[in-house]
Formats: sequence, C-alpha cells, structure tokens
Amino acid sequence: GEDVEQSLFLSVREGDSSVINCTYTDSSSTYLYWYKQEPGAGLQLLTYIFSNMDMKQDQRLTVLLNKKDKHLSLRIADTQTGDSAIYFCAESTRTASKLTFGTGTRLQVTL
Amino acid sequence: DAMVIQNPRYQVTQFGKPVTLSCSQTLNHNVMYWYQQKSSQAPKLLFHYYDKDFNNEADTPDNFQSRRPNTSFCFLDIRSPGLGDAAMYLCATSREGTEDQPQHFGDGTRLSIL
Repeated sequence: GEDVEQSLFLSVREGDSSVINCTYTDSSSTYLYWYKQEPGAGLQLLTYIFSNMDMKQDQRLTVLLNKKDKHLSLRIADTQTGDSAIYFCAESTRTASKLTFGTGTRLQVTL
Repeated sequence: DAMVIQNPRYQVTQFGKPVTLSCSQTLNHNVMYWYQQKSSQAPKLLFHYYDKDFNNEADTPDNFQSRRPNTSFCFLDIRSPGLGDAAMYLCATSREGTEDQPQHFGDGTRLSIL
C-alpha cells in the first residue's frame, strides 16, 4: 500500500539551511511533490520531481531523490522567517493518478 | 491573480444544518478535487471531478456530496454536518488527472460546527 512519512518538526536558525525529509513505500511512484502550507491557508506548490531524476534545483530549493531507498528531501538554503510553515511531500503513481500526502513537517525558523 | 478561489474563507453552521462550500477556478483545468484537512493532519481526498465525471473515494461518507455545474465551479455540499466534520476544506485543480500534472490549491474554507 501507499505510505508517506515525514518527521513532525524541524527548527533552524535564520540563515541556516533546512533539510526536510520524506520516505515513501510505493515503488511505482512516478512524481513526487513538495507543498508548503502557512497557517490558515491552502497548499502552495513549491516544486516537484520526476522519479527518473535524482536532483532538481529551483532558486533556494533543492530536491534530492534516492529512488533505491525511496527517500526524498527538500533543502531550503538561507532559511528565512517567511519559510516557517508546514511542508508536505506527496507522491503520485501512474495507476492511482492521485496524490498521497505525507504527515507534514512543521518548520520553525528562529532568529 | 488568485487562480483557485474558495468562498467563504470561514463558514459556521449548526449541527445538522446543510451547508455548501464553493470553489471556482480561472485555469480552465479539467479536474477539480475536494479535500478535507483536520487539524495537524494531511489533506484527505473526498472526491474529484474529471470534467463532468464524478469520482468518489471509497471511504467518503454519504453525507458529503458534490456538484460541478460547469468547468469553472465546483461545490461541496454537506447534508447534515456533525461535529466531526469541522475541518479545513481544500479545493484543488489540475489540467489532467495524471500523475505529472500538479494540483493547484485554493486557500481553503474553514468550517466550524456549533
């Protein structure tokens, strides 16, 4: 079955890098997504990666995918207070064509 | 500039009183989704429309219904809200319902039940 797990909480200092991790179980996952959710708001698509890639960079964001270990990470360089939010990873598969979300990681950025 | 618009942002209803949440999109996407998100949890898919075709998730209670009168609008109807239905309801769209098409979310409607 599908199961996507994330650590619940991460605290970093402003200016440091943040690394948010995600593991998934479905080996048929084709696309993996990262969404950001600020308090009381919807989900904002940050980036996504196709499963035949192992890295994707987009400005301050770097996504690393280890398909063998079914491990996905999101690195945020030079973390700012505005990055404080809950980050969800999500997978989709060709057969299901729907998103399975992780449990979400709350990122706290301290001064 | 908002592309997926949900109204209202906050909705209060009474226990057992029907309520309708609305979603509109300017993206002309074929697929519209409704999710329920309870506090500190991941969003849970309730159902989606591919064009006019309705797709219900197996574990979505019968109390939840949806209508899509045209491409731009989709409604979530809760026939007899219970206290357990208090949650954030998120609408999303995608161009096609395939795995390579990202879903774009609205800001959600937070539903409270008195």
